[in-house]
Amino acid sequence: NAGVTQTPKFRILKIGQSMTLQCAQDMNHNYMYWYRQDPGMGLKLIYYSVGAGITDKGEVPNGYNVSRSTTEDFPLRLELAAPSQTSVYFCASSTAPQQFFGPGTRLTVL
Amino acid sequence: TQLLEQSPQFLSIQEGENLTVYCNSSSVFSSLQWYRQEPGEGPVLLVTVVTGGEVKKLKRLTFQFGDARKDSSLHITAAQPGDTGLYLCAGPPRYSGGGADGLTFGKGTHLIIQP
Repeated sequence: NAGVTQTPKFRILKIGQSMTLQCAQDMNHNYMYWYRQDPGMGLKLIYYSVGAGITDKGEVPNGYNVSRSTTEDFPLRLELAAPSQTSVYFCASSTAPQQFFGPGTRLTVL
Repeated sequence: TQLLEQSPQFLSIQEGENLTVYCNSSSVFSSLQWYRQEPGEGPVLLVTVVTGGEVKKLKRLTFQFGDARKDSSLHITAAQPGDTGLYLCAGPPRYSGGGADGLTFGKGTHLIIQP
């Protein structure tokens, strides 16, 4: 099992550009999550999904969108990148409450 | 919003010493988890504590959940350089069905064990 995979590992965006962060899991977990981790700030929940076709906002959803068309995939979309979105993004899947994290995507918006 | 406060924020000690880090809240949590995160990687679960007063041991690491389920501690005996990392505590929000809605994380304790 690969567990939770994320692509890309690093990305630099210009202000106003869009991109999609990919996340996939092969553990057949229903629950999936997106967090962002800023220096010294811990992890904050952006969006989560309890199953295919079901998504909901977390603590910091503004500027992001998600979709969940399959159990395996949970992409995170940034439509108009802003410097405040510079962060490390982690995807996780869960057999609640334990969460399994991917390796992260380090995003810089300039 | 249920907050988890971790202390200390940074800790640097010599190999072989003992240490304790803390995770505190003014709110009751149904369970608390401890994760360790190494640079460039995602957090990895160490333990979940569920019952007030519960103590769990993982080799040289001892985890305790407070009787009132508002706090937890992590004690490391004879710390090794391999223990270096960011230690995060996390718990499901009160409204959550056991954590399916995501976790609330503390800011973490950065631990450095010097050889």
